[in-house]
Amino acid sequence: DQQVKQNSPSLSVQEGRISILNCDYTNSMFDYFLWYKKYPAEGPTFLISISSIKDKNEDGRFTVFLNKSAKHLSLHIVPSQPGDSAVYFCAASLGGSNYKLTFGKGTLLTVNP
Amino acid sequence: GAVVSQHPSRVICKSGTSVKIECRSLDFQATTMFWYRQFPKQSLMLMATSNEGSKATYEQGVEKDKFLINHASLTLSTLTVTSAHPEDSSFYICSARIGGNSPLHFGNGTRLTVT
Repeated sequence: DQQVKQNSPSLSVQEGRISILNCDYTNSMFDYFLWYKKYPAEGPTFLISISSIKDKNEDGRFTVFLNKSAKHLSLHIVPSQPGDSAVYFCAASLGGSNYKLTFGKGTLLTVNP
Repeated sequence: GAVVSQHPSRVICKSGTSVKIECRSLDFQATTMFWYRQFPKQSLMLMATSNEGSKATYEQGVEKDKFLINHASLTLSTLTVTSAHPEDSSFYICSARIGGNSPLHFGNGTRLTVT
């Protein structure tokens, strides 16, 4: 049973526009959420996180929104750049950031020049 | 720069042999490291939690006798895939936290191919 779902396997966006990556989860006990970016043949790199007590966290071009009632979070990248092209994984944990992460399957973002 | 180093990045072995993968924390001590596995087009799945100086904790469905984990020092954890079979072919990634509530930092992974 996939507790963290990324229903879009891929997304293509023009450079300079907004990229919106979506993630849904089923376990209402998750209280910490993270986004990781992964390039081919490399491990995932931490991007941004959000605690369940917040509904938004912003870091430069990256903003994560959390809608607990809908069990949905999204990552907004604006403006998108070609270097943002990568696979983005959504992850969730129980009991804060110190616990094991449950990952989605990832979304391949392609930003076209 | 990288905070977690993993070696080798790629290994091909014959069925029935064993393969050891090393995971090192760079410039910090990691009492706990995590081993993940990723099959093609699938999510990263936690296999086990490696604890320095004690036995690893394995996730349900992961054979502890097949995937031997040793965390002998505060900067090194190893995963040994014993008697490897083609179905063990996968991308294995380790991770660790620098400390406190910091997010997980991942190594670059090891692509294991068992022929």
